[in-house]
Order: sequence, then C-alpha cells, then structure tokens
Amino acid sequence: SQTIHQWPATLVQPVGSPLSLECTVEGTSNPNLYWYRQAAGRGLQLLFYSVGIGQISSEVPQNLSASRPQDRQFILSSKKLLLSDSGFYLCAWSRADSNTGELFFGEGSRLTVL
Amino acid sequence: GQNIDQPTEMTATEGAIVQINCTYQTSGFNGLFWYQQHAGEAPTFLSYNVLDGLEEKGRFSSFLSRSKGYSYLLLKELQMKDSASYLCAVMDSNYQLIWGAGTKLIIKP
Repeated sequence: SQTIHQWPATLVQPVGSPLSLECTVEGTSNPNLYWYRQAAGRGLQLLFYSVGIGQISSEVPQNLSASRPQDRQFILSSKKLLLSDSGFYLCAWSRADSNTGELFFGEGSRLTVL
Repeated sequence: GQNIDQPTEMTATEGAIVQINCTYQTSGFNGLFWYQQHAGEAPTFLSYNVLDGLEEKGRFSSFLSRSKGYSYLLLKELQMKDSASYLCAVMDSNYQLIWGAGTKLIIKP
C-alpha cells in the first residue's frame, strides 16, 4: 500500500531563519507531488507541484522554493522566513495515470514564524 | 476569476441528516471532490463526481449538477466523529484543483 510522510509535524522559527520541510512517498512510482498551504478560513493554496524529478512548477511567487531530488521525495524550503509564512503546510501525491486526480495528503506541518 | 463557495459553519444534531452545499464558478470542469478534514489533521478523500447525479457511499452521498454549478454532500445518521471541516474542490480545464474554504460541521448530542 502507498504511504506518505512529511516532517517535522510542528516547528517554531524566528523571522529570517531558513526552512526545510520534507515529504516522502512509499509504495508507488513516479507520483505527482504537491505542496499546499492552508490558512485559517481560506481554501488550500497550491504552492508547488511536480510531475517528475527536477520538474517543479510554482503557482505562487514568494520566498519559498521546492525541490524533488528523488522520484518520491519533495522538499519545501526557504532561505529567510517571513511572518506571513506561518501556516499549515500539506504535502500530497496523486497517481500520474489517475483519471480522477484524487489527492492523498501527508500529516501536515504546522509552521509558526515569530 | 475562479470561485468556490460553501457555508463557513453548520451545526447539526447527532443522529440527524445534514446537507452541505457547494457552488462553483471555474474555467472548465473536470470533476468535483469532497474531502473531510478533522482539526489539525490532513484532508481525506470522501467522494468524486464528474457526471450529474447522486453518488452514494454508506452514510455519505454527493450530488452534482454541472448546469447549475452546484454540488452538495449529504451526511446521514450523524455521529459525533463526523464533526470536522468538509472541503469542496473543483478540477478546472487545466486539471488544477480549486479549493473552497471549507465548512466546519459541529455535531451536538
């Protein structure tokens, strides 16, 4: 069966510090991978998605970046965090050949920037 | 622009039935999803509709009318564990998911 894990689950970082959130998928090959941010009272905001190693599409210009160094690994990074980066970050995957595009989400990472 | 509207919050009683509505305006349509999200947890898939009509899955049913840009999620025999947020999402012509802000459902005994 397929599983997805992301970490850390929670972190508190000072403004200007770097960020690294990691996500891995097991039990499937060549998944589509996604990073979302969820702010209170708002819909999920797609930040990045990837259809293959080294292929990253950015949906929202900001001080975040994403990388996919391996087929089932997706990393969200920042060199200098802003207060506005606080939120609940969700990694997700979908089957590349799916005709429904159903998403499977990781556990989520709650980031607080102080 | 693209828009998904759903009520912010609803309250229902244990054992009752509740209907959560979702209206959408998107550039194209390639299916509508409902996800359940308990507080502090990740969303989990509930249903997918791409054709008009009702899809039933146990206590949960989802309805779609593409001509009206409308869907609802129907929850029967409500249980306390159904207290959660319910997210409506539409896949547009570019196969991108557009998400609603979610409906927080509160179940009272």
